[in-house]
Amino acid sequence: DAKTTQPPSMDCAEGRAANLPCNHSTISGNEYVYWYRQIHSQGPQYIIHGLKNNETNEMASLIITEDRKSSTLILPHATLRDTAVYYCIVSKAAGNKLTFGGGTRVLVKP
Amino acid sequence: GAVVSQHPSWVICKSGTSVKIECRSLDFQATTMFWYRQFPKQSLMLMATSNEGSKATYEQGVEKDKFLINHASLTLSTLTVTSAHPEDSSFYICSAIGLAGAEETQYFGPGTRLLVL
Repeated sequence: DAKTTQPPSMDCAEGRAANLPCNHSTISGNEYVYWYRQIHSQGPQYIIHGLKNNETNEMASLIITEDRKSSTLILPHATLRDTAVYYCIVSKAAGNKLTFGGGTRVLVKP
Repeated sequence: GAVVSQHPSWVICKSGTSVKIECRSLDFQATTMFWYRQFPKQSLMLMATSNEGSKATYEQGVEKDKFLINHASLTLSTLTVTSAHPEDSSFYICSAIGLAGAEETQYFGPGTRLLVL
């Protein structure tokens, strides 16, 4: 699976949109981009995934560039409960093992 | 989304004893489950892939005789840490493949924190 690069940490203000970048320049055509988050002392929580098109669900939006070499996870209105480590993972399919990198530690401040 | 549970949520045991951790898919069937381990301030590391009705596949460096995995049904996988030692103290997390809309994705359990004294 392709490797991803994320900033180690970022702060955002409560109520504002949080934009989390991820680079995956070696992604292949059949690999998906998955986003998970891990709140302290809990198991990772699935957020969203996509292949080529932008995706939106009740938690977040995923914007994938046309060349698929990078993506952005958008939390539209960050709350204090969104403070977590966010992982961007590239994988061929959900049935494949996921390789977790360092992720981005997001701190939402009041 | 699909729900995965783990039991127990935390366990303390003496060095040399064995500990069993259960992972259940509550509202779906999972032919494949994964076991991960996470040490403090580190990311998740995959230990093994558990397939229903067959032997687990272990990642390089993970001792299969120490970490016994049994996936006897479509909703249950167990991880047994045999002869546990303090260095086995960690956060153990399982995941299972379920549906997110029309597509499959991995859902994670809440984790089991193991402390070996």
